[in-house]
Amino acid sequence: GAVVSQHPSRVICKSGTSVKIECRSLDFQATTMFWYRQFPKKSLMLMATSNEGSKATYEQGVEKDKFLINHASLTLSTLTVTSAHPEDSSFYICSARDEGGSETQYFGPGTRLLVL
Amino acid sequence: GNSVTQMEGPVTLSEEAFLTINCTYTATGYPSLFWYVQYPGEGLQLLLKATKADDKGSNKGFEATYRKETTSFHLEKGSVQVSDSAVYFCALSISLFYNQGGKLIFGQGTELSVKP
Repeated sequence: GAVVSQHPSRVICKSGTSVKIECRSLDFQATTMFWYRQFPKKSLMLMATSNEGSKATYEQGVEKDKFLINHASLTLSTLTVTSAHPEDSSFYICSARDEGGSETQYFGPGTRLLVL
Repeated sequence: GNSVTQMEGPVTLSEEAFLTINCTYTATGYPSLFWYVQYPGEGLQLLLKATKADDKGSNKGFEATYRKETTSFHLEKGSVQVSDSAVYFCALSISLFYNQGGKLIFGQGTELSVKP
């Protein structure tokens, strides 16, 4: 089946540093990937849509300069949290859409970010 | 607008009990409907889906039928197991033809706890 990986699975960083999270589709190509943020006991909040070869589309209220997205290939999208602060601590989940006709999104296992 | 509403949790059941998690939606166009499951500390896994009215999605003993007349997609399982304990998310995706970019719109999630 379709597999999406994320790296790292868990990261702890100091306030003010930047953190990069990778999202890869392992056995299919994904023109479009999505980045979500999930707070404890809450649903997923869509942050942005990552488009291969073009700029990401951000949801209202999401700072594009804070959450940099690069979709460099058909199997890789990266999310960089710049100048991280404790309030950025969260569970970040990516998904990749199977363009092969089903339009189903497959999710990565998530990345737990803790900013000290 | 487009939205998904799920029954509130947590839902606590004994092993082998019957499960129903209600999900209703509002949408423009012709949505595809999904159930995703999230185990503790993990990302989301696609459980089942239905792409048009009267379709029934099924997987691992779970079933849901796309009911256009009642705008519902209730999740059912005849006999739950302890291993089914997780958070279940109902979601819809609007066809790309409606310029929604294939975004998933999630319900708030329903936590299921199955006791031995």
